[in-house]
Amino acid sequence: QKEVEQDPGPLSVPEGAIVSLNCTYSNSAFQYFMWYRQYSRKGPELLMYTYSSGNKEDGRFTAQVDKSSKYISLFIRDSQPSDSATYLCAMRAATSGSRLTFGEGTQLTVNP
Amino acid sequence: DAGITQSPRHKVTETGTPVTLRCHQTENHRYMYWYRQDPGHGLRLIHYSYGVKDTDKGEVSDGYSVSRSKTEDFLLTLESATSSQTSVYFCAISGSQVGNTIYFGEGSWLTVV
Repeated sequence: QKEVEQDPGPLSVPEGAIVSLNCTYSNSAFQYFMWYRQYSRKGPELLMYTYSSGNKEDGRFTAQVDKSSKYISLFIRDSQPSDSATYLCAMRAATSGSRLTFGEGTQLTVNP
Repeated sequence: DAGITQSPRHKVTETGTPVTLRCHQTENHRYMYWYRQDPGHGLRLIHYSYGVKDTDKGEVSDGYSVSRSKTEDFLLTLESATSSQTSVYFCAISGSQVGNTIYFGEGSWLTVV
């Protein structure tokens, strides 16, 4: 069983919709949580980074972490066609240095 | 953009031939990583380096070797390429401070025929 589970989609939504992307994990040692966005044929780029339970907001993006349920989410408000990409969750334990464990990624398409 | 350059960006090679991918960084970061990305598996760590000449294995290291003779360069070598090593390879870097996260290069597409 994978340490990090992420529904690969694909997910298709109309422009302006609220998007919810989710990951679950099994390793209770994970303390740092990230979301990366990856456009087609490009490298992943860091979108959000958090290390505590609760919400973190950055513009149209909100990252939510629930350590008790081992569940993280990324919400995208007022989604735009430019948000069409694959979104990967990633996480690491404090003792794993900088090595990350990734989810498989969710492919999102926002239709104009 | 993080100062990471991967070369070559695209390569087609034959089974059994050696292949070396190069990662060059201009950020003077301590840590460097090689990941591969495959459908159904996401990103998986092959090898990483925590300093010059200091390297360690990741979760899918079989068939790969690495070297880091300078802070800025991290080489990934496939000693004898196999079709199962057809993949997209990403180099990544991070600093040494607690909480530093990882920044990725643009990827190297490798096809083994």
